[in-house]
Amino acid sequence: DGGITQSPKYLFRKEGQNVTLSCEQNLNHDAMYWYRQDPGQGLRLIYYSQIVNDFQKGDIAEGYSVSREKKESFPLTVTSAQKNPTAFYLCASSATVYNQPQHFGDGTRLSIL
Amino acid sequence: DAKTTQPTSMDCAEGRAANLPCNHSTISGNEYVYWYRQIHSQGPQYIIHGLKNNETNEMASLIITEDRKSSTLILPHATLRDTAVYYCIVRVGGGGTSYGKLTFGQGTILTVHP
Repeated sequence: DGGITQSPKYLFRKEGQNVTLSCEQNLNHDAMYWYRQDPGQGLRLIYYSQIVNDFQKGDIAEGYSVSREKKESFPLTVTSAQKNPTAFYLCASSATVYNQPQHFGDGTRLSIL
Repeated sequence: DAKTTQPTSMDCAEGRAANLPCNHSTISGNEYVYWYRQIHSQGPQYIIHGLKNNETNEMASLIITEDRKSSTLILPHATLRDTAVYYCIVRVGGGGTSYGKLTFGQGTILTVHP
């Protein structure tokens, strides 16, 4: 079945460490996105990518980095510069950025030890 | 993107239709109405979207008023598995620096009971 796979489901990080969250899609979508969700709140856009080898900052990109070397993959690195990284991270993809529904993975929950 | 207003919570009996309202009085001509839902600890699930005509798919129907200032999501035969937070979002169709972004508000907590 086509879909979006995020791994791991739960991730723990020590202070000062970088961690990378994986996102893979087999929907042949050009556009991919990373969102962050905090308890009781809506989603906030971190980064998005319209096409391979291109990505743009969203509303809260500070302390995060991404790459888009392959169409199906859009990993997110949470760096030590991110002061409050504990959150639920969601990856999404859509055929294009222009008025196409975004389809989401099941998320990765990141916690700081 | 235009702001939306939804009731905080709603109840529905299993097997009955669930009608979820959304107000978007400042919607622009090129903004679409999207509906998503999220079950606890899972990613949001796309339900349906529309511009000005009513839309129907295998999950739900979307009714948009003629002036486009409000809409209603209809789940025709609600089941216990439809219990979730439902988000109504208006989104620019394309172009501009905010294209692609979905702005989720607080949504409506729908509880389907036996």
